[in-house]
Amino acid sequence: ELKVEQNPLFLSMQEGKNYTIYCNYSTTSDRLYWYRQDPGKSLESLFVLLSNGAVKQEGRLMASLDTKARLSTLHITAAVHDLSATYFCAVPYTSGTYKYIFGTGTRLKVLA
Amino acid sequence: GAVVSQHPSWVICKSGTSVKIECRSLDFQATTMFWYRQFPKQSLMLMATSNEGSKATYEQGVEKDKFLINHASLTLSTLTVTSAHPEDSSFYICSARVRDRGFLSGYTFGSGTRLTVV
Repeated sequence: ELKVEQNPLFLSMQEGKNYTIYCNYSTTSDRLYWYRQDPGKSLESLFVLLSNGAVKQEGRLMASLDTKARLSTLHITAAVHDLSATYFCAVPYTSGTYKYIFGTGTRLKVLA
Repeated sequence: GAVVSQHPSWVICKSGTSVKIECRSLDFQATTMFWYRQFPKQSLMLMATSNEGSKATYEQGVEKDKFLINHASLTLSTLTVTSAHPEDSSFYICSARVRDRGFLSGYTFGSGTRLTVV
């Protein structure tokens, strides 16, 4: 059974600090997505990682993918309050499929 | 960018009634639409995959007679919750694959529908 686990599940951090969210998955996959969800809202696409070693950055967020370790990270640099949200990673059920399973989610709260 | 319009945003219905949720792709053709449900403070769970012009594929444990999915055109997919009960109260989200110049660039999500059954 495919499992996608994120840690931490909850994260409260001060503005200006750095932190990393981890996404571990149990099957082989060459693709991984990161999404952001604000309370009561739908999902916003953040990053698409399509190969081993892929690294993408947007503003204070940087995502990376290590397919050999089955691990993706979402690094937050100098957090600001606007980054408070829930972050999900998602991987395909099986290689080549377009069905995705979502991680458990990480609820981030950045304190001013 | 590719937009999926989902309606209604929220709906309250009485037990035993049916509710229809629509997802329309506004500026692209969505050959495949995914339907998810999300309980409060939980992750998204895939319910079914609908393909234009064919029957939907349901995930294990999802009642196909209760959650009717229709994908009659390349721009419209609907989810009907039949004979709704309070335990069906949830946040329902649709999602479509997006291609950019022939390459899969990701998925776009509808705005979600919060269903409350009383």
